[in-house]
Amino acid sequence: GENVEQHPSTLSVQEGDSAVIKCTYSDSASNYFPWYKQELGKRPQLIIDIRSNVGEKKDQRIAVTLNKTAKHFSLHITETQPEDSAVYFCAARYGNNRLAFGKGNQVVVIP
Amino acid sequence: NAGVMQNPRHLVRRRGQEARLRCSPMKGHSHVYWYRQLPEEGLKFMVYLQKENIIDESGMPKERFSAEFPKEGPSILRIQQVVRGDSAAYFCASSPGQGAYGEQFFGPGTRLTVL
Repeated sequence: GENVEQHPSTLSVQEGDSAVIKCTYSDSASNYFPWYKQELGKRPQLIIDIRSNVGEKKDQRIAVTLNKTAKHFSLHITETQPEDSAVYFCAARYGNNRLAFGKGNQVVVIP
Repeated sequence: NAGVMQNPRHLVRRRGQEARLRCSPMKGHSHVYWYRQLPEEGLKFMVYLQKENIIDESGMPKERFSAEFPKEGPSILRIQQVVRGDSAAYFCASSPGQGAYGEQFFGPGTRLTVL
């Protein structure tokens, strides 16, 4: 089935520390894994994505790692800032380009 | 370049009425997706359309829900005879294509409340 699990559900970090969110997926055929950030009442915004032909991708303070053998991928946010507080969703692409999303992680950055 | 547009942003309907949600994709995007988000939940895929074609409707409820993306104009998600359980945020996304061009960008959503 198309199942994506996210852990933990809520994550509190001190400003300046790092935050890591992990996701697992069920279908080994998945080859594209985006991460979205959603602030309260706003649209999900694509912040970074990774394809199965690479193991890691970095964009400034955000990085994503992928372990295809274990079928999990992680989002890393370094030097967290208050504006990083939001809900973060991981997703995996299945057939016909549809995305299956995890339930989301609430990240709270404490000033 | 305007992003994905959705309207209305908020929609209130009474049980039994019809709801019509509209989505205009980003310029240059011909692929449209609809997702539903319940409170404190992730987004659930509903349907994937290209111009005048439904590509994948595996996430659509079997009854009362329909979607279209005509040659001209926005994509429409239509919910007939709404029930309270239809209350949710409905997000539309668009992409320029599939595969390497399959990044999906989301609209601001329509928040449907059924009284």
